[in-house]
Amino acid sequence: AQRVTQPEKLLSVFKGAPVELKCNYSYSGSPELFWYVQYSRQRLQLLLRHISRESIKGFTADLNKGETSFHLKKPFAQEEDSAMYYCALSGGYQKVTFGTGTKLQVIP
Amino acid sequence: DTGVSQDPRHKITKRGQNVTFRCDPISEHNRLYWYRQTLGQGPEFLTYFQNEAQLEKSRLLSDRFSAERPKGSFSTLEIQRTEQGDSAMYLCASSPRDPGRGLRNTEAFFGQGTRLTVV
Repeated sequence: AQRVTQPEKLLSVFKGAPVELKCNYSYSGSPELFWYVQYSRQRLQLLLRHISRESIKGFTADLNKGETSFHLKKPFAQEEDSAMYYCALSGGYQKVTFGTGTKLQVIP
Repeated sequence: DTGVSQDPRHKITKRGQNVTFRCDPISEHNRLYWYRQTLGQGPEFLTYFQNEAQLEKSRLLSDRFSAERPKGSFSTLEIQRTEQGDSAMYLCASSPRDPGRGLRNTEAFFGQGTRLTVV
C-alpha cells in the first residue's frame, strides 16, 4: 500500500522566514514524489517533482529514501506563497496518492 | 481556457437522485483520472482511463458509481441513488501520452472540480 503523511494542517510563517512543509511516505518500491499546490480559487497544479530536481518559485524538495521523506523548502517565504500544498506519491503506473495537505499562511 | 473543464461546477441534489458529471480533458491527453475530495482531505483516487479503457478502479468506487469514456475523449461520472456521504468535490485530471525522459508519470492537469451537495 502507498501512503502519504503531511503532519501539519496549518503552517504560519512571517514573510521572509524559511518554510519547510513536511511530507513522509510509505511505499515498498521505488516511488515518484510530487508537490502540488492550490492557490485560492484556483485549480490544483503541479509545483515540482523529485525526478526533475528543479527549483520552482524558489521551492525545492529532496527525496530522502532513508527517512522516507520529501519535505518542501523555501528559504524566504513570500505572501504569494500562501496556498494549500499537497504531497503526492506514485508507486505504479498513473495512480497518484495524495496527502491531506498543509495550508501555508505567510504573514505580512 | 484550454485546460481541463468540468461541468457542472456545482450540483445540489436530493438524496436518492442520480447525478452525472462531465469532464473534458486537454485534447490529445490520453490519460484521464477522477478523484474525490472531502473537507480537510487530499484528493482520493477513484478511477483511471487510458484512452477509452478503464484500467483501474478504487474500492471507494461503489456499485452506485460508474465512469465512462466512450470515445477516449470526454468522460462522465454517474452516481446513482445519491447519499449524503457522497457530498464532496469531484475532480477530474488528465495527462499526456508518453512522458519520455525515463519518467513513469507525467504532470496531471486538474479541472476546477464539481462540488456535489446531497441534501
